[in-house]
Amino acid sequence: EAQVTQNPRYLITVTGKKLTVTCSQNMNHEYMSWYRQDPGLGLRQIYYSMNVEVTDKGDVPEGYKVSRKEKRNFPLILESPSPNQTSLYFCASSIRTGGAGTGELFFGEGSRLTVL
Amino acid sequence: GDSVTQMEGPVTLSEEAFLTINCTYTATGYPSLFWYVQYPGEGLQLLLKATKADDKGSNKGFEATYRKETTSFHLEKGSVQVSDSAVYFCALRVSNTGRRALTFGSGTRLQVQP
Repeated sequence: EAQVTQNPRYLITVTGKKLTVTCSQNMNHEYMSWYRQDPGLGLRQIYYSMNVEVTDKGDVPEGYKVSRKEKRNFPLILESPSPNQTSLYFCASSIRTGGAGTGELFFGEGSRLTVL
Repeated sequence: GDSVTQMEGPVTLSEEAFLTINCTYTATGYPSLFWYVQYPGEGLQLLLKATKADDKGSNKGFEATYRKETTSFHLEKGSVQVSDSAVYFCALRVSNTGRRALTFGSGTRLQVQP
């Protein structure tokens, strides 16, 4: 089954304790991205990756890191989490197409993070 | 910059009622437009899309028409069901940006009562 898998789905942590949210896709997609979802703000892009070893900042990258060592995996790293990073996080992927780029984004089920 | 504005929710309807969720956008260039749906506890799923003016996207009884003159992409369904209860997101992507990012609206929660 084609899917994007995130772990953990739920996490409560404390300020400053490093954590990683993993994301894996089995569709051989080149493009992967992280979003955060906050009430009233919709989804905002944190980081994205066009291919292996190619990553770049989205709209709200502060406090986050990513890596793309393999095509299927795109972990999100919070080196020193703070309460304002409490949010619902989504990983997404899509096949890279040329031209108009109308490819569909496939989303994981989300990871709800609470930073105390 | 690019932006999407959706009507605020929640929208509460009775089963078999007609649904409209308004969406307007501001974009540089020529965007593709999307509606995504998020069911409780799940990630977002593409519901429908339109890539150029006057295109109509449709799926599962939902429709939306890309109106360039009014910069709108309103979502409609003739007869909603309880199973349509979810959060609906309007989104756009401008094709000439390398980021391939979607710009989302804030979402509209739909509650359908039996």
